[in-house]
Amino acid sequence: EPEVTQTPSHQVTQMGQEVILRCVPISNHLYFYWYRQILGQKVEFLVSFYNNEISEKSEIFDDQFSVERPDGSNFTLKIRSTKLEDSAMYFCASSPFYGYEQYFGPGTRLTVT
Amino acid sequence: AQSVSQHNHHVILSEAASLELGCNYSYGGTVNLFWYVQYPGQHLQLLLKYFSGDPLVKGIKGFEAEFIKSKFSFNLRKPSVQWSDTAEYFCAVNPSTSGTYKYIFGTGTRLKVLA
Repeated sequence: EPEVTQTPSHQVTQMGQEVILRCVPISNHLYFYWYRQILGQKVEFLVSFYNNEISEKSEIFDDQFSVERPDGSNFTLKIRSTKLEDSAMYFCASSPFYGYEQYFGPGTRLTVT
Repeated sequence: AQSVSQHNHHVILSEAASLELGCNYSYGGTVNLFWYVQYPGQHLQLLLKYFSGDPLVKGIKGFEAEFIKSKFSFNLRKPSVQWSDTAEYFCAVNPSTSGTYKYIFGTGTRLKVLA
């Protein structure tokens, strides 16, 4: 069964550094998403992406964040200058159609020191 | 603000016991509803979903959920749990009439099943 994959599984970075989290959505899916879960808190929506542009973003997704689909398979989340409070598990998801269920990847644990 | 509540944060059951996990949401429009499960060390997997139609939804691994619109609830049930059901369970809501793509998640319920 096709799965969403994410790399790396764990990323440690210093405050102020840029990080790029990578995701490979399921190949025939059209909608892509990033969520995050700070330890002990809810899974929170960050952004959705369709047709090579952001379709929706949350208030968390400020100018420090960006997303890109650089080729036909990868979907990336970039954090320009990481803060301690960016430490969280970041989940990528994809869905084939609008409103269809989302398929989640295993997550990347980001630790900012 | 739209929110999802899961009232049980930790549940411990013995094998063969019945399970019911509560999920309530605050949104007056049409919603799509989901339950996801996360086994230790694994990713979120869809257990079941509700878009429309029969409010009693059957999912994988013997789970079912009932949508009660008047109570804004979508509770998850299983008549007889197994040790392998030990996992974290997340309720998620997509407020579809607002045109949003996002899921709003509950805080999750950690279920431990004792053998």
